[in-house]
Amino acid sequence: NAGVTQTPKFQVLKTGQSMTLQCAQDMNHEYMSWYRQDPGMGLRLIHYSVGAGITDQGEVPNGYNVSRSTTEDFPLRLLSAAPSQTSVYFCATATGVTGELFFGEGSRLTVL
Amino acid sequence: GNSVTQMEGPVTLSEEAFLTINCTYTATGYPSLFWYVQYPGEGLQLLLKATKADDKGSNKGFEATYRKETTSFHLEKGSVQVSDSAVYFCALNRGNYKLTFGKGTLLTVNP
Repeated sequence: NAGVTQTPKFQVLKTGQSMTLQCAQDMNHEYMSWYRQDPGMGLRLIHYSVGAGITDQGEVPNGYNVSRSTTEDFPLRLLSAAPSQTSVYFCATATGVTGELFFGEGSRLTVL
Repeated sequence: GNSVTQMEGPVTLSEEAFLTINCTYTATGYPSLFWYVQYPGEGLQLLLKATKADDKGSNKGFEATYRKETTSFHLEKGSVQVSDSAVYFCALNRGNYKLTFGKGTLLTVNP
């Protein structure tokens, strides 16, 4: 099984451009989420979904959109990229009662 | 609110040295606690977890005990290896799979 797959792994954008980070999972987990990782900040939750058709905001949602049309996919959209969105983005899934997250390998985004 | 404070890094040790990375938390109730590890160029992976007070999580020689009285979940290993070099994150589950992470501690182990 692939687990959690993120694409692309690296991306460079110019300010104002749009793009979508893809996340796909084959573990049949209901919960999916997006985090961003910045130096000295740990990981911060952007958006999450508890099932198909349901999404909600995390701690730092501004500038990002999500949708969840299937159990497997949870894309993260940047409509107008800003330099402050330069970061490493992680998709994570979860199931079960303990809240353990399963992470993808990350997508490194640079906005010039 | 919920928060996690962990030891600032970086931490540099020689192989076979003893490791402690401190982690304390503030939370309502008794959340599940986790240690995640991130190897260079990879995503985070669960190292160990504890779901209630006095639980001890362990994996790959690492241990951490859920201490309610001191609100702590310190990570320890008796003898580190070069392959343990990574960034370590302490985290708590604040409900509905939403985790709060510490800022991470970079560990470098030299041969």
